[in-house]
Amino acid sequence: DGGITQSPKYLFRKEGQNVTLSCEQNLNHDAMYWYRQDPGQGLRLIYYSQIVNDFQKGDIAEGYSVSREKKESFPLTVTSAQKNPTAFYLCASSIDWTGGKAFFGQGTRLTVV
Amino acid sequence: KQEVTQIPAALSVPEGENLVLNCSFTDSAIYNLQWFRQDPGKGLTSLLLIQSSQREQTSGRLNASLDKSSGRSTLYIAASQPGDSATYLCAVNNAGNNRKLIWGLGTSLAVNP
Repeated sequence: DGGITQSPKYLFRKEGQNVTLSCEQNLNHDAMYWYRQDPGQGLRLIYYSQIVNDFQKGDIAEGYSVSREKKESFPLTVTSAQKNPTAFYLCASSIDWTGGKAFFGQGTRLTVV
Repeated sequence: KQEVTQIPAALSVPEGENLVLNCSFTDSAIYNLQWFRQDPGKGLTSLLLIQSSQREQTSGRLNASLDKSSGRSTLYIAASQPGDSATYLCAVNNAGNNRKLIWGLGTSLAVNP
């Protein structure tokens, strides 16, 4: 089945640690996105990639980093510089950057302990 | 700046009712509008995508309409079922080169048996 796989489903981070969230898609999509979801707030865009080997900052990129070395993969690193990382993280893809139908993974819940 | 509003924030209905969820946006220069469903603790599932040139889209018991000039979209759910209980999110893709989804906060729907 084609889709987007995020792992892990739950992740716990100690203060000062970097953690990496995985996102893999087998839809052959060019564009991939990372969002953060917090209670009472709309989805906020962290980073997006229109094509392999390229990515752009979204609205809340500070404290996060990404890479796009393969078309299928768009990992997100939450660094120690992110002051409030506890949130639900969603990865999405679309066939290209022009705004087609968005497909989402099942999310990763990150908790700082 | 595009803003998306969804009303009501929460809705509780008895099973079998037909219902309407509302989404409004402030800038009518959109590329498309997308409706999603989110179950608690899960990712988003795409329901319907309406291009800016379209007036409505249908999928099963769901019908989404778009009135671009007035900045409104509605999601109509016919003969609601308990399995329809979820949060419904509306997102707008702006026209132009900046094709990022702008999200509403969602409507939390409870369909009671």
